[in-house]
Amino acid sequence: RKEVEQDPGPFNVPEGATVAFNCTYSNSASQSFFWYRQDCRKEPKLLMSVYSSGNEDGRFTAQLNRASQYISLLIRDSKLSDSATYLCVVVSGTYKYIFGTGTRLKVLA
Amino acid sequence: GAVVSQHPSRVICKSGTSVKIECRSLDFQATTMFWYRQFPKQSLMLMATSNEGSKATYEQGVEKDKFLINHASLTLSTLTVTSAHPEDSSFYICSATWGTANTEAFFGQGTRLTVV
Repeated sequence: RKEVEQDPGPFNVPEGATVAFNCTYSNSASQSFFWYRQDCRKEPKLLMSVYSSGNEDGRFTAQLNRASQYISLLIRDSKLSDSATYLCVVVSGTYKYIFGTGTRLKVLA
Repeated sequence: GAVVSQHPSRVICKSGTSVKIECRSLDFQATTMFWYRQFPKQSLMLMATSNEGSKATYEQGVEKDKFLINHASLTLSTLTVTSAHPEDSSFYICSATWGTANTEAFFGQGTRLTVV
């Protein structure tokens, strides 16, 4: 089983839609969690950290479920500019940052 | 956010030669740097983790004699692909952090290596 797993998609959604991604992790001792966004042929950029209590940043909401070992990202009112690959990152052990395979999102006009 | 600079952004080399990629943290001291490779339409695969002043820790399946990593200072790590082959052609990205698990990792711009 992979350490971090994501549905690769693609998720094709119309503008204005709400879309959610999940990411599961295998190491119950994982310490920190992040969502990164990667545009084609570019480096990943931090979208948001994921806190135990959940956190929201504008149209984006991240949740952590330690019992079931998954994190989620919800995007409301999707924009064309949200089209990208969303990578979840799990930090385990000696600050090892492990990436999921990424979920591709395409927002359609 | 913090800045990580990776150089070169693109390199083409002949099979059998070696290529060095540099990763610099410009405005912070990077106690830990990571090297990843990414094939088209795939995710980033962690190759190795390096802490300043110590040997890199390689992931399973990554040949340490082929991918030489040096992290001699708190602001510079290098990855040398030795005796490159066409199958080494990939996108290599470094990231750096100042070491606590709750700190985001900052990424370099990536290096697209093509071995011909």
